[in-house]
Amino acid sequence: NAGVTQTPKFRILKIGQSMTLQCTQDMNHNYMYWYRQDPGMGLKLIYYSVGAGITDKGEVPNGYNVSRSTTEDFPLRLELAAPSQTSVYFCASSSQYRDRLFGQGTRLTVV
Amino acid sequence: DQQVKQNSPSLSVQEGRISILNCDYTNSMFDYFLWYKKYPAEGPTFLISISSIKDKNEDGRFTVFLNKSAKHLSLHIVPSQPGDSAVYFCAASDGATNKLIFGTGTLLAVQP
Repeated sequence: NAGVTQTPKFRILKIGQSMTLQCTQDMNHNYMYWYRQDPGMGLKLIYYSVGAGITDKGEVPNGYNVSRSTTEDFPLRLELAAPSQTSVYFCASSSQYRDRLFGQGTRLTVV
Repeated sequence: DQQVKQNSPSLSVQEGRISILNCDYTNSMFDYFLWYKKYPAEGPTFLISISSIKDKNEDGRFTVFLNKSAKHLSLHIVPSQPGDSAVYFCAASDGATNKLIFGTGTLLAVQP
């Protein structure tokens, strides 16, 4: 039972490049989330999904896109990477809306 | 607008003593509170939670206290162990939305 798996763990992007952060969970959770954590800051919600085919914006959605074609997968797409998107990204899932089970994170640097 | 605040960025305690981590919130609609623990290079892991209908919840060495009138919650760890050294985040949610609001975290260092 792997839980929430994120790939890659580390990535360096050049300004203007695009990439997709992958997230998959094997617990059949309906709810999935993407957060970013900047140094000295709490986790900020980027996007979330309450089920396959349903996504919604969180606190900081600009510069990102998501899709949820299956219950298991919730990829986060960065278009035209900017230095402000340098952060640690966490994917999470939950069966109830209160709790979150987090992945190990993706450390992204945009140079 | 920081709705959940952890005003102490760091805390250092001796092994065996009590660690008290504090969290304040501003939104009176919050009705559920959680503490997460995070080690370096790992994702946050759930530690303990409390509903607003309670003022205390205990789980082994960890106890969370909620003071609704002061909009304040605290996490007590007794006795503290070196393995408790981590960043602790408090988080809050209300019943109307599906969102957790996180504090900025407190780095706890337990000295052997």
